[in-house]
Amino acid sequence: AQSVTQLDSHVSVSEGTPVLLRCNYSSSYSPSLFWYVQHPNKGLQLLLKYTSAATLVKGINGFEAEFKKSETSFHLTKPSAHMSDAAEYFCVVSEGTYKYIFGTGTRLKVLA
Amino acid sequence: GAVVSQHPSWVICKSGTSVKIECRSLDFQATTMFWYRQFPKQSLMLMATSNEGSKATYEQGVEKDKFLINHASLTLSTLTVTSAHPEDSSFYICSARDPGQGAVTEAFFGQGTRLTVV
Repeated sequence: AQSVTQLDSHVSVSEGTPVLLRCNYSSSYSPSLFWYVQHPNKGLQLLLKYTSAATLVKGINGFEAEFKKSETSFHLTKPSAHMSDAAEYFCVVSEGTYKYIFGTGTRLKVLA
Repeated sequence: GAVVSQHPSWVICKSGTSVKIECRSLDFQATTMFWYRQFPKQSLMLMATSNEGSKATYEQGVEKDKFLINHASLTLSTLTVTSAHPEDSSFYICSARDPGQGAVTEAFFGQGTRLTVV
């Protein structure tokens, strides 16, 4: 069975400092992995996806994530946080062609 | 990317009434759409998979008669919350994949519907 664990429910960083949001997954097969962002009362926007191509994936707004099979991790990073990055972030794993399993989410707070 | 539109974005209804939420794929045909529910400060939980032209597949614990799903066309799926009660108040989000983009693609999400039952 597949699952995903987001290790931090809340992360606070100062503006201009690096962001690290951690995600570990469990999957019987080669998974597809995604990071989505959700602003308050909004839908979800795709940041980036891993689908067995390059292990370092670059996404929108300066975010990137590295797939590490040996560590079963897919951590999301950004070199320099911006105030507009404050939101909820979800790590998602998909084994098949349609079913998503969501992590519990990480709320990112950016301090001025 | 592909666009999924959800309507309404928010709705307030009286207890005991029914509410319909629409999910449309605007620039692609979606044979499968997905309905999620999100409680405050929690993650998204898949409620059901909506299949065009056939019955929806519900996740364990989701009441089929409570949450009616209809997927009558390749671009529209509807979720009807029947005899709504305050505990049904939640954020409902739909998603769909664009099969034209390949076998494994990301899902595109609607804007979500905030349902409040009073």
